[in-house]
Amino acid sequence: DQQVKQNSPSLSVQEGRISILNCDYTNSMFDYFLWYKKYPAEGPTFLISISSIKDKNEDGRFTVFLNKSAKHLSLHIVPSQPGDSAVYFCAASEDDYKLSFGAGTTVTVRA
Amino acid sequence: ETGVTQSPTHLIKTRGQQVTLRCSSQSGHNTVSWYQQALGQGPQFIFQYYREEENGRGNFPPRFSGLQFPNYSSELNVNALELDDSALYLCASSATGGRTYEQYFGPGTRLTVT
Repeated sequence: DQQVKQNSPSLSVQEGRISILNCDYTNSMFDYFLWYKKYPAEGPTFLISISSIKDKNEDGRFTVFLNKSAKHLSLHIVPSQPGDSAVYFCAASEDDYKLSFGAGTTVTVRA
Repeated sequence: ETGVTQSPTHLIKTRGQQVTLRCSSQSGHNTVSWYQQALGQGPQFIFQYYREEENGRGNFPPRFSGLQFPNYSSELNVNALELDDSALYLCASSATGGRTYEQYFGPGTRLTVT
């Protein structure tokens, strides 16, 4: 049962514009959410996270928004750069030991 | 600071065989988690080790087993390999006892079962 869903397999955006990645979850017990970025032949790299007690967290060009009532979170990248082209995974945790991942969204930043 | 390393990079095995994958955690990290990533899917949690004990397990059969050593490195063993075991196996380490937040991943081992 997929508890974390990323319904957009791919996203293409022009350099300098905003990239918005979406993620939905079904488990109301999730209390911590993370975004990971993955380049080919590398493991996922932690990008940004948010606790369920917050609705926004910002780190440089990356901002994550959490809407608990809608069980939805999003990642905004502003401005998008060519190096942002990668697969982005949304992940969530309800306990102390495991992460549940979405299937990923492939972002392509066009010059 | 040394990151998470995994060996081997690639592996080809025959159905029914056994395989051992290895992981060295990031310096200062005492917790290791293993994930399986099938093609086109996100990583799926297999299990986590903390202080050489299994600290939690996902929905994987007992033929998936692991070890953690005193230096916090870890092994993933898979017995009686099946074709569906073909995947990228990722190891992740984290710094605090049992807390998953901000796990740091290795590059993975690509396992192909024929």
